[in-house]
Amino acid sequence: EADIYQTPRYLVIGTGKKITLECSQTMGHDKMYWYQQDPGMELHLIHYSYGVNSTEKGDLSSESTVSRIRTEHFPLTLESARPSHTSQYLCASSESGSGIQYFGAGTRLSVL
Amino acid sequence: QKEVEQDPGPLSVPEGAIVSLNCTYSNSAFQYFMWYRQYSRKGPELLMYTYSSGNKEDGRFTAQVDKSSKYISLFIRDSQPSDSATYLCAMSLTASKLTFGTGTRLQVTL
Repeated sequence: EADIYQTPRYLVIGTGKKITLECSQTMGHDKMYWYQQDPGMELHLIHYSYGVNSTEKGDLSSESTVSRIRTEHFPLTLESARPSHTSQYLCASSESGSGIQYFGAGTRLSVL
Repeated sequence: QKEVEQDPGPLSVPEGAIVSLNCTYSNSAFQYFMWYRQYSRKGPELLMYTYSSGNKEDGRFTAQVDKSSKYISLFIRDSQPSDSATYLCAMSLTASKLTFGTGTRLQVTL
């Protein structure tokens, strides 16, 4: 069973607020990912990291930012939330050399 | 055109039926193929993983990859109500970024 944790699970917040979605894994995986998933749509990669101090933007443009200061921690930040940011955000990690990604339970974000 | 095509369903089958789920893809360079299961309000969990072509079996689940046709399948035997979920196919060129299908919603009825 994968040990990857996301908090909060649900977040309802007003427009203009700054938010940080937390993601932590205890497996020592080098690679971590953030996806955005809307109902009935495929997962879209918005950020990824192949190690500490290494972050890249994914295929889907996002106004969010990420940091990777510690191997186990990969938080995602929105400086000023907007209703268009309403979505489910999924964090994943994988071991180097493995194509298998393990997912957290997700954060469902609603921006009013 | 999307790189990975997957029928969103919903697919409704009676308990005990054999279920066939499929994805087609356009990028012939994909090497890693996966099936994930996602229950409502949960993250995806890995079901099957295949490198390159061939079949793989795990209990009631069988994954098939046909690279010549750019087609992958997941078969579920003796389906159970607990199999009701969304099934996502995913694939990648290297052991890193994945490209997902939209997912097929499966409902197994009593």
